[in-house]
Amino acid sequence: SQELEQSPQSLIVQEGKNLTINCTSSKTLYGLYWYKQKYGEGLIFLMMLQKGGEEKSHEKITAKLDEKKQQSSLHITASQPSHAGIYLCGADLAGTASKLTFGTGTRLQVTL
Amino acid sequence: DADVTQTPRNRITKTGKRIMLECSQTKGHDRMYWYRQDPGLGLRLIYYSFDVKDINKGEISDGYSVSRQAQAKFSLSLESAIPNQTALYFCATSDPFTDTQYFGPGTRLTVL
Repeated sequence: SQELEQSPQSLIVQEGKNLTINCTSSKTLYGLYWYKQKYGEGLIFLMMLQKGGEEKSHEKITAKLDEKKQQSSLHITASQPSHAGIYLCGADLAGTASKLTFGTGTRLQVTL
Repeated sequence: DADVTQTPRNRITKTGKRIMLECSQTKGHDRMYWYRQDPGLGLRLIYYSFDVKDINKGEISDGYSVSRQAQAKFSLSLESAIPNQTALYFCATSDPFTDTQYFGPGTRLTVL
């Protein structure tokens, strides 16, 4: 089983709607990173969370870290076609900051 | 200009051939990584290097080798390519202060 589970695996939303993607770990989270990937392209860094309860926002994207639940959520407000892509979470599960474990990704489609 | 570049971007080869994928970075970071991405499996770590003299195996290193020619260059080789090595390969480098990883655009490798 995956150490880092993302849900949902895929999502189709209408433009203007809000959505949430979750990333849940089976181990303690020492650092959580969110990335966005356009199909077949590289990963673009979005945000990093390190402390329990931490919340960061960039434009219409907000990420939160719930340390007790070992979970992070990514929330997009008023989705736009430009938000479409694959969202991946990566985490330091060892506390060594030497490498990241990644989830399998959430594919987001935004319809007009 | 991109901070992390990969060459080639696409490659089609035959079973048994030796293939080298190259990665260069201009961020001045010591740590570099090679991942492969397969549908439904997310990103899996192949090898990582903390400096020119330090190279470590990741979770799926069998069938691969690496060379760290300089701080800025990290190459991945497939000594004898096989069809199940068909995947999207990513190189990354990490910021020593935040451990954030920055990815190249990827190399799509097809082994026939």
